[in-house]
Amino acid sequence: EADIYQTPRYLVIGTGKKITLECSQTMGHDKMYWYQQDPGMELHLIHYSYGVNSTEKGDLSSESTVSRIRTEHFPLTLESARPSHTSQYLCASRGTGGHGYTFGSGTRLTVV
Amino acid sequence: DAKTTQPPSMDCAEGRAANLPCNHSTISGNEYVYWYRQIHSQGPQYIIHGLKNNETNEMASLIITEDRKSSTLILPHATLRDTAVYYCIVRVPINDMRFGAGTRLTVKP
Repeated sequence: EADIYQTPRYLVIGTGKKITLECSQTMGHDKMYWYQQDPGMELHLIHYSYGVNSTEKGDLSSESTVSRIRTEHFPLTLESARPSHTSQYLCASRGTGGHGYTFGSGTRLTVV
Repeated sequence: DAKTTQPPSMDCAEGRAANLPCNHSTISGNEYVYWYRQIHSQGPQYIIHGLKNNETNEMASLIITEDRKSSTLILPHATLRDTAVYYCIVRVPINDMRFGAGTRLTVKP
């Protein structure tokens, strides 16, 4: 079944570490997104991509970076994690002209 | 994309219909109304969308007023598993999706 996968589901890491959150989709969707959500708060768009080698920053300023080397893969990297990066990160995708977004289960990141 | 206004929270008795309102008075002719829900911090789940006609699927019904300035999502027989945050989003399909605060629906036994 086509779907969108995020790993890891939970991550606890020390300050200063480099981390990469993985997001992959098997639907061949061109458009992929990263949202950040603090507990009980709204989702904020932090990065998006409309295709291979295309990445843009979203509405909320983020110290993370993304890459899109393959259609199915859209990883998010934090070069030096800080406690302020503690949050949930949700990945989503949709096809060109598609009405619906498909979301992954999210990665809950805790930086200690 | 047009701004939407939703009540911050609502309660509903299990087995009863849940009617979630959304105001979008500045909606333009090519903007659709979308509903998503988020159960306990999982990824948001698509429910339904519509342009001007009422729509129904296996999850819910969407009623859009004739002037399109407001809409109502109806869950016909709410269950405890329908407890979630429900988001009403108005946008042109080509645009990317932004989320507001939504309505926190609590279904009570």
